[in-house]
Amino acid sequence: AQSVTQLDSQVPVFEEAPVELRCNYSSSVSVYLFWYVQYPNQGLQLLLKYLSGSTLVKGINGFEAEFNKSQTSFHLRKPSVHISDTAEYFCAVSEVQGAQKLVFGQGTRLTINP
Amino acid sequence: GAVVSQHPSWVICKSGTSVKIECRSLDFQATTMFWYRQFPKQSLMLMATSNEGSKATYEQGVEKDKFLINHASLTLSTLTVTSAHPEDSSFYICSATGTSGGTDEQFFGPGTRLTVL
Repeated sequence: AQSVTQLDSQVPVFEEAPVELRCNYSSSVSVYLFWYVQYPNQGLQLLLKYLSGSTLVKGINGFEAEFNKSQTSFHLRKPSVHISDTAEYFCAVSEVQGAQKLVFGQGTRLTINP
Repeated sequence: GAVVSQHPSWVICKSGTSVKIECRSLDFQATTMFWYRQFPKQSLMLMATSNEGSKATYEQGVEKDKFLINHASLTLSTLTVTSAHPEDSSFYICSATGTSGGTDEQFFGPGTRLTVL
């Protein structure tokens, strides 16, 4: 079984500052890794995913994440945030040899202050 | 990306009644659909996985007789909450993917907020 831990439940940041949202996972098998964003009362939108290859993954809206196998981490970063980035962010994993079931972390509420 | 819709977007019902939620893939054929529930300020928990034309696979702890899932076509899956009670109040989200395995992206619907009085 897999588990995902998002180390910060809330992250307040000033506009135009950099941000890092932390994600660690645990799994006995190989996994794919994902970051999703959820705006209020909406479904989830995929920001980026790591399947294989380069450990630095670039996604939409200027976000990127780096897969670190030795530390079992997949932290999400953005060099300069905008007010519109205020949302809930979820890290998730799914087994490479599995049925595409996603296991989500607890979520991190990113609040951008002017 | 592909579009998944849910209907209704919100519903309020009395305790003891049944509620049906629809999930549709609008521009692709969804061989696999997933149903999640999300409590306020919490993460998404997978309830069940459904493949078109076959019975849904429920996660441990999810009552299959209470949460009836029907994936009758390649574009439609329904979740029926039978004899709903206040503890069933939650945000229900579906997702769909175009294949039954592999790395294909899950596309999420906008969610349905269920409130049981």
